[in-house]
Amino acid sequence: SQQGEEDPQALSIQEGENATMNCSYKTSINNLQWYRQNSGRGLVHLILIRSNEREKHSGRLRVTLDTSKKSSSLLITASRAADTASYFCATDYNQGGKLIFGQGTELSVKP
Amino acid sequence: DAGVIQSPRHEVTEMGQEVTLRCKPISGHDYLFWYRQTMMRGLELLIYFNNNVPIDDSGMPEDRFSAKMPNASFSTLKIQPSEPRDSAVYFCASRPSRGYNEQFFGPGTRLTVL
Repeated sequence: SQQGEEDPQALSIQEGENATMNCSYKTSINNLQWYRQNSGRGLVHLILIRSNEREKHSGRLRVTLDTSKKSSSLLITASRAADTASYFCATDYNQGGKLIFGQGTELSVKP
Repeated sequence: DAGVIQSPRHEVTEMGQEVTLRCKPISGHDYLFWYRQTMMRGLELLIYFNNNVPIDDSGMPEDRFSAKMPNASFSTLKIQPSEPRDSAVYFCASRPSRGYNEQFFGPGTRLTVL
């Protein structure tokens, strides 16, 4: 399967701490994306990093991509209770428009 | 824009009944995707369309599942007959042809088959 692997599966932190989630994949990609899913809702796109980029920032989010290790990480700085959600990485393998989603990391931020 | 619209939001049915899920993609989006999400299997791509034409249906579990896209603003996913193992949340997503393949998801339909 080309599905990405994410770790940890679950992460519990205190408000104000940083949260780091990791994603590994199997073959070369066009880009890698991160999505958030709040309980009972659809997925929402957060950030995209292209295969020729190594790091990208968006507000409190920082994404890194290491194509030699086929891995990516998502860092959320100064977490808030509202960041509590599941986070998914999705890889674009240039397979005619589809994405392959990982199993997700469930983040819980305690106030 | 209203975003991707799905209906119904919740559906409870009995085994053997036909179920039809509906999706209206974002106007101007050329791609439409149907996903299924369960605790056991995560988020699975069932089928996707480009310009109303099915491109890849390899994720459709079996012949009981069928999907159509009669026009650019409407798609259906039908399960006939439904089984308890079909219970899941079904998402529709769309995206434009241009750009980097960012997908926009609907709120999902929670299906329970008794």
